[in-house]
Amino acid sequence: DAKTTQPPSMDCAEGRAANLPCNHSTISGNEYVYWYRQIHSQGPQYIIHGLKNNETNEMASLIITEDRKSSTLILPHATLRDTAVYYCIVSRTGGFKTIFGAGTRLFVKA
Amino acid sequence: NAGVTQTPKFRILKIGQSMTLQCTQDMNHNYMYWYRQDPGMGLKLIYYSVGAGITDKGEVPNGYNVSRSTTEDFPLRLELAAPSQTSVYFCASSYSGAGAGDTQYFGPGTRLTVL
Repeated sequence: DAKTTQPPSMDCAEGRAANLPCNHSTISGNEYVYWYRQIHSQGPQYIIHGLKNNETNEMASLIITEDRKSSTLILPHATLRDTAVYYCIVSRTGGFKTIFGAGTRLFVKA
Repeated sequence: NAGVTQTPKFRILKIGQSMTLQCTQDMNHNYMYWYRQDPGMGLKLIYYSVGAGITDKGEVPNGYNVSRSTTEDFPLRLELAAPSQTSVYFCASSYSGAGAGDTQYFGPGTRLTVL
């Protein structure tokens, strides 16, 4: 499975959009981009995933570049409860060795 | 659905002791995983299973054993506990992986300290 690169930390003002970038330049054609987050010491929580097209759900939007070498997770109106570590993962369908890197620590400030 | 449950929540072991971390899921998922997370780090895969009776090693399997006799349960066994096994352990499960990929659902974790 391809590796990902994320900034170690980011700040965001409450109510503003949080845009979290991820580089996955070695991604292959059958690999999906997944985003999870981990609030404090809880178990990671699934947010969204995509293959080629942009995706949106009730939590976030995922923008994947046309060459699929990078993506951005967008939290449209960040709240204090969105303060967490966000993990960008690349994994193929049925892939077992999912690699969770250090992620991006997002601080949402009032 | 309760989702993925783990017991115990906390445990302190002495060096050389053994214990089993329990993990149960009620979503009828075929795939189950064990991860460990050291302070300030990401998760590392210890073992995984693709179905009852089938298990395989992940990134950091040394010092651990697993079994999968039922779809629901995936216990993790620590033999001869060492301080290096002090960590938070997460169990996860996922669908078969067909179609849209294998979204993982995580349990709340077991915080283990080995002294």
